[in-house]
Amino acid sequence: GAVVSQHPSWVICKSGTSVKIECRSLDFQATTMFWYRQFPKQSLMLMATSNEGSKATYEQGVEKDKFLINHASLTLSTLTVTSAHPEDSSFYICSAIPPLAGYEQYFGPGTRLTVT
Amino acid sequence: AQSVTQPDIHITVSEGASLELRCNYSYGATPYLFWYVQSPGQGLQLLLKYFSGDTLVQGIKGFEAEFKRSQSSFNLRKPSVHWSDAAEYFCAVGAYAGKSTFGDGTTLTVKP
Repeated sequence: GAVVSQHPSWVICKSGTSVKIECRSLDFQATTMFWYRQFPKQSLMLMATSNEGSKATYEQGVEKDKFLINHASLTLSTLTVTSAHPEDSSFYICSAIPPLAGYEQYFGPGTRLTVT
Repeated sequence: AQSVTQPDIHITVSEGASLELRCNYSYGATPYLFWYVQSPGQGLQLLLKYFSGDTLVQGIKGFEAEFKRSQSSFNLRKPSVHWSDAAEYFCAVGAYAGKSTFGDGTTLTVKP
């Protein structure tokens, strides 16, 4: 149990376009999901906390208008990178917390974004 | 604020040798501690976790970790390393229903 999926697993887009990444909890409902970003050879940096039915909470330094997060249901959170640029190329990972297991996050497999 | 330090950026061990990866944390209350492994281009796999109780925790793939409150450490160990253990290892500290903070990671290389 406690499986989290991401779609797509990789995406290439042109500079200036927008791309949406989906994060789904497949067998549980998650009121809270997290979005992380990872550059090559670096650690995971938390971008934002996604709460179902409310606005996301962004970490300091993360552009809210560029990285739009929507948590419209208890099983789906989306991250939209708007007007993408090459510097947005990265590995994006989401995680979700199952109910009654608030101390452990379950991670998705990640999405590789390349902006050309 | 919570923080995690992994002092070793890169460790090389011979196959069959023992392994210890260091992790030090800073957290105001009882920490929730985790070790994850990540292969290139892949997501994170949880190796083990500590919430409370026995300070020596067993995980998957033959890994174990010991929580030492006095030293604010949660070091990962394995008695005999296999070539397939080569990967990136992350230590993390988290709060209940809250976000996790990750260390910078340790890259493990295994020599044949």
